Amino acid sequence: DVKVTQSSRYLVKRTGEKVFLECVQDMDHENMFWYRQDPGLGLRLIYFSYDVKMKEKGDIPEGYSVSREKKERFSLILESASTNQTSMYLCASRSGGNEKLFFGSGTQLSVL
Amino acid sequence: AQKVTQAQTEISVVEKEDVTLDCVYETRDTTYYLFWYKQPPSGELVFLIRRNSFDEQNEISGRYSWNFQKSTSSFNFTITASQVVDSAVYFCALSEEHGGATNKLIFGTGTLLAVQP
Repeated sequence: DVKVTQSSRYLVKRTGEKVFLECVQDMDHENMFWYRQDPGLGLRLIYFSYDVKMKEKGDIPEGYSVSREKKERFSLILESASTNQTSMYLCASRSGGNEKLFFGSGTQLSVL
Repeated sequence: AQKVTQAQTEISVVEKEDVTLDCVYETRDTTYYLFWYKQPPSGELVFLIRRNSFDEQNEISGRYSWNFQKSTSSFNFTITASQVVDSAVYFCALSEEHGGATNKLIFGTGTLLAVQP
C-alpha cells in the first residue's frame, strides 16, 4: 500500500517556538505538498515541492518555510510559532502534474 | 484565477436518501482536471475521482455518480441510497494544465455530510 506518513498526529507548542512538521512518502513521488485545513476555509496550500531542493510558494506561505533535501521527505518549518498557526496540517504527494494526491493523516498543531 | 465553490457547508440526510453535493469552478484554462476527495472522521483524505475537461461523460461507481457540465462549470457528486459510512467531509478540487509539474490543486471549502441512521 502506498503511504504518506506524518510524524505526529497531535502537537502542542508554545508561541515563539520553532516547529518542524515532517512528512515522508514511500512512492518515489516527485511532487509533495503542505496544506493547512481550517473550519470554513477548506484546504489552503502553504508550499509545494516539485523536485528535490525545489520549492514553490502556495497561497499562504507567510510564517512558514520548507525543506526537501531528499525525495521522500518534505518538512514544514514554523520559524516562530504563533497562535494563528494553530491548525490541521496535511501533507500530500503525487507522481506528476495532474495525478491524484495521496494524503497523510494530518498533524493537529496547537500553539499556546 | 482558479476558484472552487462548494456552497453547501453542511448537509444532513437520513439513511437511504439520495444526496447531491454541488461543486462550481472557475478557470481560464481550456484544459483542466477536477477531483473529488472524501475526508472521513479519521482525517485522511481519500481520492474518489479525477475528470479532465475534455471528458464530459457522467461517471458512476456503485452508489456514487458524478455529473460534469462545462456549460455551467459544475461537477456535482451524487450518493444514491446514502449510508452512515458516507458521513464525511467531501472536497471538490481543480487543477489547471498549464503549469505541468508545478500545477497546484485548489480545493473548495468542503461539504460536511451527516447521514443519520
